[in-house]
Amino acid sequence: QMQLQESGPGLVKPSETLSLTCSVSGGSISNSNYYWGWIRQPPGKGLEWIGNIYYSGSASYNPSLESRVTISVDTSKNQFSLRLSSVTAADTAVYYCARHAHTIKYYFDSWGQGTLVTVSS
Amino acid sequence: AIRMTQSPSSFSASTGDRVTITCRASQMISTYLAWYQQKPGKAPKLLIYDASTLQSGVPSRFSGSGSGADFTLTISSLQSEDFATYYCQQYYSYPPLTFGGGTKVEI
Repeated sequence: QMQLQESGPGLVKPSETLSLTCSVSGGSISNSNYYWGWIRQPPGKGLEWIGNIYYSGSASYNPSLESRVTISVDTSKNQFSLRLSSVTAADTAVYYCARHAHTIKYYFDSWGQGTLVTVSS
Repeated sequence: AIRMTQSPSSFSASTGDRVTITCRASQMISTYLAWYQQKPGKAPKLLIYDASTLQSGVPSRFSGSGSGADFTLTISSLQSEDFATYYCQQYYSYPPLTFGGGTKVEI
């Protein structure tokens, strides 16, 4: 059973960089069948796709966030990570990591429980 | 980016009701559409993909239909555990992957 678990600081100051890690268990992040992604949800609002990464390190980002986002993968630790720079209060959200297929079937069939990140001084 | 519009944004229903939620894409997306259920404080759960294929383990009272730009999620007989928020997501055009704004089904 695939499990994903987000971890990282729950509070980040404005203008600083948000950093989160997703640990994958029950399967290998190097499985060529999957991409690994980040999605966020501001309190009381809808879902926003941030970006994804393949085990090879190839990443894609939401154009609305691309200038501030970096997603990386560490296959030795079975983890992938998110960095979002120059954060503001608008980046306050629950951040989820999730998995989708490598083919065109880019729907998310496995999710982490989510972690709330608050941007505040 | 393809914009996904769900309607209604929320509504009240009763156990046993037949419920239909609609999702409209701003351009044609064939059947590259998924539906998710989200309960408070929980991660979304995949219900349907490819517009009409039920994810393993999802009750058969859930069904999806549509192609092109207009899609529906139907719950044939609403159960107490189905009160939640439902989201559609397109994966026809990427990046970005985009979600609808959500439909909250309330008692």
